[in-house]
Amino acid sequence: KAGVTQTPRYLIKTRGQQVTLSCSPISGHRSVSWYQQTPGQGLQFLFEYFSETQRNKGNFPGRFSGRQFSNSRSEMNVSTLELGDSALYLCASSLYAGTFTDTQYFGPGTRLTVL
Amino acid sequence: QQQVKQSPQSLIVQKGGIPIINCAYENTAFDYFPWYQQFPGKGPALLIAIRPDVSEKKEGRFTISFNKSAKQFSLHIMDSQPGDSATYFCAASMQGDKIIFGKGTRLHILP
Repeated sequence: KAGVTQTPRYLIKTRGQQVTLSCSPISGHRSVSWYQQTPGQGLQFLFEYFSETQRNKGNFPGRFSGRQFSNSRSEMNVSTLELGDSALYLCASSLYAGTFTDTQYFGPGTRLTVL
Repeated sequence: QQQVKQSPQSLIVQKGGIPIINCAYENTAFDYFPWYQQFPGKGPALLIAIRPDVSEKKEGRFTISFNKSAKQFSLHIMDSQPGDSATYFCAASMQGDKIIFGKGTRLHILP
């Protein structure tokens, strides 16, 4: 069974631009969560999508948004990029919602660098 | 109240030793405590998890000890191997709606 895939793996943007990251979950998984990982703040939960609906959201500004398609693939968008948005963005999929009580499978992440 | 404090930040242990990583939390509403293992260039992988109604859980060489009254939990790795060298994260989740991670412990097992 293929794992969680994320594209692109690396991305360089400049301040003020916007970016869209993509995540394809494991086949059959309907829940997709997004996380930001930085050396300073560690791993932080961004949001969770289940059946095309945002189920939960972490404490991030509205510049961070996402969506999920009917095939469970998910995209994350960050508008008006800031230097502090440089991070590894991880996506994880699981069978059910309420993600954290079920085994989540993480993708390898997208490394975003904002110059 | 939403924090999960993890220590130490880094740990070096001889092969065969028992590294112990500790986490503490404040919010008693947390009801699920997973540990993740992350290798360089990879996403985290769930290692083992525990609920507060259990004081200890063992899976292979990995054991979680949970102290509800102290609001602390820890990961023990028995007979550690160089292949266990990775970053370990504890986390706490609240009713499936929120998850908070510790800052991580970089573990290095000497051969």
